Amino acid sequence: EVQLVESGGGLVQPGGSLRLSCAASGFTFGDYWMHWVRQAPGKGLVWVSHINTDGKITTYADSVEGRFTISRDNARNALYLQMDSLRGEDTAVYYCVRDGGLGGHLDYWGQGALISVSS
Amino acid sequence: DIVMTQSPDSLAVSLGERATINCKSSQSLLYNSNNKNYLAWYQQKPGQPPKLIIYWASARESGVPDRFSGSGSGTDFTLTISSLQADDVAVYHCQQYFTVPHTFGQGTKLEIK
Repeated sequence: EVQLVESGGGLVQPGGSLRLSCAASGFTFGDYWMHWVRQAPGKGLVWVSHINTDGKITTYADSVEGRFTISRDNARNALYLQMDSLRGEDTAVYYCVRDGGLGGHLDYWGQGALISVSS
Repeated sequence: DIVMTQSPDSLAVSLGERATINCKSSQSLLYNSNNKNYLAWYQQKPGQPPKLIIYWASARESGVPDRFSGSGSGTDFTLTISSLQADDVAVYHCQQYFTVPHTFGQGTKLEIK
């Protein structure tokens, strides 16, 4: 069974940093592109970033470019999102998501980790 | 960025009736080399993460009931639930993965009338 479990969420002050982790199991992690998608309270889904299978290709939404860094450790079956210079508008549930392959539809989602940015 | 616009924002349908949700993209999602539309639909129930139900605009994800169907091409797409069940109450999101950023529609809330 495919499982994606996020950790590392919490409350952080504006300008602060946080690192999200996602533990993957039930599939060959290194064979799949992975994504982060976020959802502000009561709002829609927003794609944040993706990473290819070996970690050498990464892409970001304009809103997080230069502040967030996606990475992965295939030996540990783990995906990460380093978030720096956090702003109030970054407050959201962050989902770790597997790419279904051959395109970019998102076939498995974690339960999400809540990041609250507030003083 | 490609803008995805769903209509309506909310919808109330009687049990057993048809529900139709539309999604329009600001540019074509049809990739001519493989004739595929890079469009997916997700179902999100309260307090849960989204669940993939349709990809390539019309391919049903494994385990999804056949009352769910997707159609359309280019810039106009439709998600249809042929006979609404109580379990279908959710917010439905469309997403384009034709190009980054992979943008989503604003979501359509489906309720029982």
